[in-house]
Amino acid sequence: GPKVLQIPSHQIIDMGQMVTLNCDPVSNHLYFYWYKQILGQQMEFLVNFYNGKVMEKSKLFKDQFSVERPDGSYFTLKIQPTALEDSAVYFCASSSDWENYAEQFFGPGTRLTVL
Amino acid sequence: GEQVEQRPPHLSVREGDSAFITCTYTDPNSYYFFWYKQEPGASLQLLMKVFSSTEINEGQGFTVLLNKKDKRLSLNLTAAHPGDSAAYFCAVSALGGSALGRLHFGAGTQLIVIP
Repeated sequence: GPKVLQIPSHQIIDMGQMVTLNCDPVSNHLYFYWYKQILGQQMEFLVNFYNGKVMEKSKLFKDQFSVERPDGSYFTLKIQPTALEDSAVYFCASSSDWENYAEQFFGPGTRLTVL
Repeated sequence: GEQVEQRPPHLSVREGDSAFITCTYTDPNSYYFFWYKQEPGASLQLLMKVFSSTEINEGQGFTVLLNKKDKRLSLNLTAAHPGDSAAYFCAVSALGGSALGRLHFGAGTQLIVIP
């Protein structure tokens, strides 16, 4: 079936550094999402993105976060600067439709560790 | 905002037994319900999506029950086998409005099926 890829699978960085998480969504999908899961807790919505714009973001999507998808390449989540509380698994998802019943296809996640 | 509680966090059953996982939610506007399965190191895979009008949904080897009155969503794996060992997540989204595309997840259930 359709696959979402995430690169890298693991990333370890020092606090204060910048990190970019990459997502390769399903090829014909136009709607993209990031979710964050702290160890042992719920996966929580961060942001959704369509047509080059953030459509909605949660309170977890701090000012240090940004997303983009330049020229149909990777959908990226950038954190600059990183903080200790950013340590989590970040899941990317994509869907073919905006409606809430549309299936979101998820990647396997990137485990980010901020030291 | 929406709160989704999933129980139990861990579940061990013997091969051939049933495995029962439940999620409760708080938002009465919740309309779309999803169950995802995640094997170690892999992406979340959609097991089933349920619309608010349906109460019992049969899948291959499992049943999803929706009780709107009690705001409860359940997954029952009948005759579990070792291949069912994975993490299971429920997710809920509302009908339209500002919640487009935003999924609210349970914290997950780690299921182990013992041969």
